[in-house]
Amino acid sequence: GENVGLHLPTLSVQEGDNSIINCAYSNSASDYFIWYKQESGKGPQFIIDIRSNMDKRQGQRVTVLLNKTVKHLSLQIAATQPGDSAVYFCAEKDELTGGGNKLTFGTGTQLKVEL
Amino acid sequence: ETGVTQSPTHLIKTRGQQVTLRCSSQSGHNTVSWYQQALGQGPQFIFQYYREEENGRGNFPPRFSGLQFPNYSSELNVNALELDDSALYLCASSDGLINSPLHFGNGTRLTVT
Repeated sequence: GENVGLHLPTLSVQEGDNSIINCAYSNSASDYFIWYKQESGKGPQFIIDIRSNMDKRQGQRVTVLLNKTVKHLSLQIAATQPGDSAVYFCAEKDELTGGGNKLTFGTGTQLKVEL
Repeated sequence: ETGVTQSPTHLIKTRGQQVTLRCSSQSGHNTVSWYQQALGQGPQFIFQYYREEENGRGNFPPRFSGLQFPNYSSELNVNALELDDSALYLCASSDGLINSPLHFGNGTRLTVT
């Protein structure tokens, strides 16, 4: 079946450095992608999204890049802070036959920020 | 603006029992989805409700069922609990518009013994 996967399960960065989290997706028909941050004991928190008609989108300290040619997503976090430590998931939206839609998540990348 | 709230936060049940989990959607949201998240994995889609009707379902057996109420709150019911049902159950809501993000609650941690 279709799935969304991540290249690296764990990423360790120094405080103040930039972080890059990568994601590969396999459903070429997906037109919408989201990055979520999940801290221990909490639900996924929306970070940023991007539609398939865009290559790049920027938020506050975060940038998402979409390469449709190779079906690759990345999340860049500038000046990484200790509060950024969490598991990061990319997710793609898939349409369902009943008219609804679902998100397909990867297994996540654990980001660890070292002081 | 009130976010997605779920209850209870934790629950312990015995194999074979039934459980009901509850979710209040974010203000203004008419679409609710439920996800199951096993430890160390990403969330898996269970089903989605839009205006009280189920409009999408993932690969979960019929013993997983749900309801959405006129105020758009929702319930997830699981019958004949199995040990593998132990997981974090997440509720998410959205405004139903195309390409709107899902906003998640903090989940219910279900343990089946």
